[in-house]
Amino acid sequence: TQLLEQSPQFLSIQEGENLTVYCNSSSVFSSLQWYRQEPGEGPVLLVTVVTGGEVKKLKRLTFQFGDARKDSSLHITAAQPGDTGLYLCAGAGPGYALNFGKGTSLLVTP
Amino acid sequence: EPEVTQTPSHQVTQMGQEVILRCVPISNHLYFYWYRQILGQKVEFLVSFYNNEISEKSEIFDDQFSVERPDGSNFTLKIRSTKLEDSAMYFCASQTFSIQYFGAGTRLSVL
Repeated sequence: TQLLEQSPQFLSIQEGENLTVYCNSSSVFSSLQWYRQEPGEGPVLLVTVVTGGEVKKLKRLTFQFGDARKDSSLHITAAQPGDTGLYLCAGAGPGYALNFGKGTSLLVTP
Repeated sequence: EPEVTQTPSHQVTQMGQEVILRCVPISNHLYFYWYRQILGQKVEFLVSFYNNEISEKSEIFDDQFSVERPDGSNFTLKIRSTKLEDSAMYFCASQTFSIQYFGAGTRLSVL
């Protein structure tokens, strides 16, 4: 099983601050996906990164895939309370099954 | 917007009983998945299904589990004889163009 380590596990910040969360593995992934999960709901896809070194932006969220396709980061600029949630990274194996990390639980307080 | 629908949202059962969790994937999707998430733990892959057969399964998906697509729209996960440790959120997902769309999940509580 390809392990994905996410850090930090928990993050509590004030509205307006910037933050970065990380997803690391010793394995190479063909693609890596970031999801956000709200309590009592299923994961919702934010972005998929495929190419090593790729950077994708989604409004205030910036996603980066490492050159070696083993790690990724999510940077949020000027966090808002609506960004609160569990952020999951998941790597796709050869058969498309997703291997998830444990997630980073983010709390943004006003 | 099309979505994956799961029923029931919460299922309570006695240990040893059979349960069937139901999913209606997004129309025209061809790949289907079941995942589970035990409280406080990560989302874990159980099984993938394509062309009316299992394409991949994890070590968790033992003989107690089975999947079926009985009528071309529903996709079900059956647990034959539930154990306490089967208590978890079970998520169904369907896929198109390498993107998996998840349902809201069924919370299974085994007493």
